[in-house]
Amino acid sequence: QTVVTQEPSLTVSPGGTVTLTCASSTGAVTSGYYPNWFQQKPGQAPRALIYSTSNKHSWTPARFSGSLLGGKAALTLSGVQPEDEAEYYCLLYYGGAQLVFGGGTKLTVL
Amino acid sequence: EVQLVESGGGLVQPGGSLRLSCAASGFTFSDHYMDWVRQAPGKGLEWVGRTRNRANSYTTEYAASVKGRFTISRDDSKNSLYLQMNSLKTEDTAVYYCARESLGSGWYFDYWGQGTLVTVSS
Repeated sequence: QTVVTQEPSLTVSPGGTVTLTCASSTGAVTSGYYPNWFQQKPGQAPRALIYSTSNKHSWTPARFSGSLLGGKAALTLSGVQPEDEAEYYCLLYYGGAQLVFGGGTKLTVL
Repeated sequence: EVQLVESGGGLVQPGGSLRLSCAASGFTFSDHYMDWVRQAPGKGLEWVGRTRNRANSYTTEYAASVKGRFTISRDDSKNSLYLQMNSLKTEDTAVYYCARESLGSGWYFDYWGQGTLVTVSS
């Protein structure tokens, strides 16, 4: 069974920079897994942020960026705002019926 | 404006059945793959399954945890997606979201519904 691993929690100060990562139990994450990132706030549906590693949706704030870093997919928030406090999930596509979400990272802005 | 609105959730006993619906608007529904994703209380997101579009013969795929018990279907004439859930277990308790899958300049889920809660309990 394929497992996608994220940091369970991270804390960042307002205005700071933080990087969340997404690792695959099968090995290095590549662009071929089309990494997607989502933000979810309590009581709300997930909101898409990044797709295919580094592409932003039209509504994605400029301070969010995606990349590959050290064999993992990464989501970097630069100039963090208080409203960025949320749970963040990555999604990797392994092909066929294998779409696997990471366990989520709870980001605290403090 | 793209909208996805789920309905049909509720309380059901273990072993029972339930059918969820997702009404889509604001885009050409027939062009897109559509997916169901669920989230158990206090837990993370879990992909449930997808239906491809007409061009790909409406083929379906499922997560191992629901295969053989859940069936995804769609009615493009009604811009609607469905999830038939049979032989429900307590571990199927979750908020169920429908999501649009797109294959534009990459692969992605872009729009999500607000979710509908399914509680499996005696």
